[in-house]
Amino acid sequence: GENVEQHPSTLSVQEGDSAVIKCTYSDSASNYFPWYKQELGKRPQLIIDIRSNVGEKKDQRIAVTLNKTAKHFSLHITETQPEDSAVYFCAVPFGNTPLVFGKGTRLSVIA
Amino acid sequence: DTEVTQTPKHLVMGMTNKKSLKCEQHMGHRAMYWYKQKAKKPPELMFVYSYEKLSINESVPSRFSPECPNSSLLNLHLHALQPEDSALYLCASSHGQGEYEQYFGPGTRLTVT
Repeated sequence: GENVEQHPSTLSVQEGDSAVIKCTYSDSASNYFPWYKQELGKRPQLIIDIRSNVGEKKDQRIAVTLNKTAKHFSLHITETQPEDSAVYFCAVPFGNTPLVFGKGTRLSVIA
Repeated sequence: DTEVTQTPKHLVMGMTNKKSLKCEQHMGHRAMYWYKQKAKKPPELMFVYSYEKLSINESVPSRFSPECPNSSLLNLHLHALQPEDSALYLCASSHGQGEYEQYFGPGTRLTVT
């Protein structure tokens, strides 16, 4: 099956610093790469996604970069704020499975 | 309306009970999903309905029985569950099955006693 490796599993940053989370995947046929944010007790929410025809996508303080050759994509959060504290999941489609999720990264932004 | 709704929010049931979880979306999406999420783990796919037909069943035990009455509704019928089935059950929907954005409902927190 699809192997989605997500690192790090936990990440603590000072408010205002940047945070980077990386995912690697095994299926070179994958073309869609979303990132979800899940706050404690809440639903996973799509925060940004990228398709394989572009290498980078930005939305205000959030960006995703994709390296299809190396089969990895990364979430970048700049000027972190306490409300960015959550668990972040990457996901990749594989075969008939619409999304296979990474194990998650618990991000803590320290004020 | 850009929301997926789920009822109930919380459910406590005994191992001999029968209960149902409900999910609804009004975004015109044609694919709907059930996921199970244990604490500190990612969501795990259980079932996929595409155009109201079950298209994926990820080897889920028969004590979980999905139903899609129409393109807006998705149910999960529960019977003779085990304590290890306690989890957050998430419904999601997307425009189609495949490389589309999935939107999640708030989930039902299920406890099996």
